[in-house]
Amino acid sequence: SQTIHQWPATLVQPVGSPLSLECTVEGTSNPNLYWYRQAAGRGLQLLFYSVGIGQISSEVPQNLSASRPQDRQFILSSKKLLLSDSGFYLCAWARLAANTGELFFGEGSRLTVL
Amino acid sequence: DAKTTQPTSMDCAEGRAANLPCNHSTISGNEYVYWYRQIHSQGPQYIIHGLKNNETNEMASLIITEDRKSSTLILPHATLRDTAVYYCIVTGGTSYGKLTFGQGTILTVHP
Repeated sequence: SQTIHQWPATLVQPVGSPLSLECTVEGTSNPNLYWYRQAAGRGLQLLFYSVGIGQISSEVPQNLSASRPQDRQFILSSKKLLLSDSGFYLCAWARLAANTGELFFGEGSRLTVL
Repeated sequence: DAKTTQPTSMDCAEGRAANLPCNHSTISGNEYVYWYRQIHSQGPQYIIHGLKNNETNEMASLIITEDRKSSTLILPHATLRDTAVYYCIVTGGTSYGKLTFGQGTILTVHP
């Protein structure tokens, strides 16, 4: 069976510090990978998605970047965090297909920037 | 992807059926209706999806009107653990799974 893990689950970072969130998927190959963010009291917003190694698409302009160094690894990064980067970050995967809508989400990483 | 409209909140008694409506009047012929739910502080969970036929799985049933402009998610016997935000999403074609989550419906199941 397929599983998705992301870490850390919770972190508190000062403004201006770097960020690295990691996500790995097991039990499948060539997945689509996604990073979503949910700010407090708001809906989920798609940040990045990837259809293959090294292929990253950004959905919104922001202070964050994403990388996919391996087929089943997706990393969310920032060089300098802003207060507005606080939120609940969710990694997700889907089977590689153009018309898929069935996403499998990780447990989430709650980031607080102070 | 077509826009969806859902009620902000709904209540349901435990053991009764919960019927969550969704309007998607601008849905295209190749777009599917997906339902997810998000329990507090967890990632969204896929529930069910359909194109034009009614669908049923171990979690819920999905009823899509004949003109496909609206749908209803049915939880046949709601439990307290079904309290969550329920999202109706329309997607398809070449979206590659890039989902647009709206505000959803907050379903509260009461004892």
